[in-house]
Amino acid sequence: DADVTQTPRNRITKTGKRIMLECSQTKGHDRMYWYRQDPGLGLRLIYYSFDVKDINKGEISDGYSVSRQAQAKFSLSLESAIPNQTALYFCATSDTTHSYNEQFFGPGTRLTVL
Amino acid sequence: AQSVTQLGSHVSVSEGALVLLRCNYSSSVPPYLFWYVQYPNQGLQLLLKYTTGATLVKGINGFEAEFKKSETSFHLTKPSAHMSDAAEYFCAVTRNTGGFKTIFGAGTRLFVKA
Repeated sequence: DADVTQTPRNRITKTGKRIMLECSQTKGHDRMYWYRQDPGLGLRLIYYSFDVKDINKGEISDGYSVSRQAQAKFSLSLESAIPNQTALYFCATSDTTHSYNEQFFGPGTRLTVL
Repeated sequence: AQSVTQLGSHVSVSEGALVLLRCNYSSSVPPYLFWYVQYPNQGLQLLLKYTTGATLVKGINGFEAEFKKSETSFHLTKPSAHMSDAAEYFCAVTRNTGGFKTIFGAGTRLFVKA
């Protein structure tokens, strides 16, 4: 079984709809992240969480919100989706054992906003 | 501020030829350096990392990279390309001053010709 899972894997929605992307992990890591990937731009950090009570904005948090429901679960919401939020979204985890922050990624969610 | 530059958004090599993917970083302090690989329809997975010690780092699938502080580079190489190496490769940097932040390059897509 995969250590980091994301649901759904693909989603097509319409402008203005509320969307939630979910991430679960079995690695026991405290740190979790949401990234979006766009061609030519690499990965950009949306939000990150160091533990259940800790939520931090990344470089592109506008239009997004997150919830850390448990150590193993971190969800990303688009309150009112817009077409430029069409992208590939990745969840990742890392532990606190090492300061170098090696990250473990889920398989991604491909979101299309029409 | 730190940044990561990957030279060439696309690199094409023939099967059996040398693979060289370039990565330069800017950081005010010595960083931790990573290469991740993304195969089609998958998340990123760690290829190799430099944290401390030997500057020539060996990773999976025959890849290696050398940390050159004087050149602020961490280029990825493989002596002989295989068709299965076709993927997108991301260089990433984490500062080692206790901050969590990891910055990803824009990615280089590697094509391998038969």
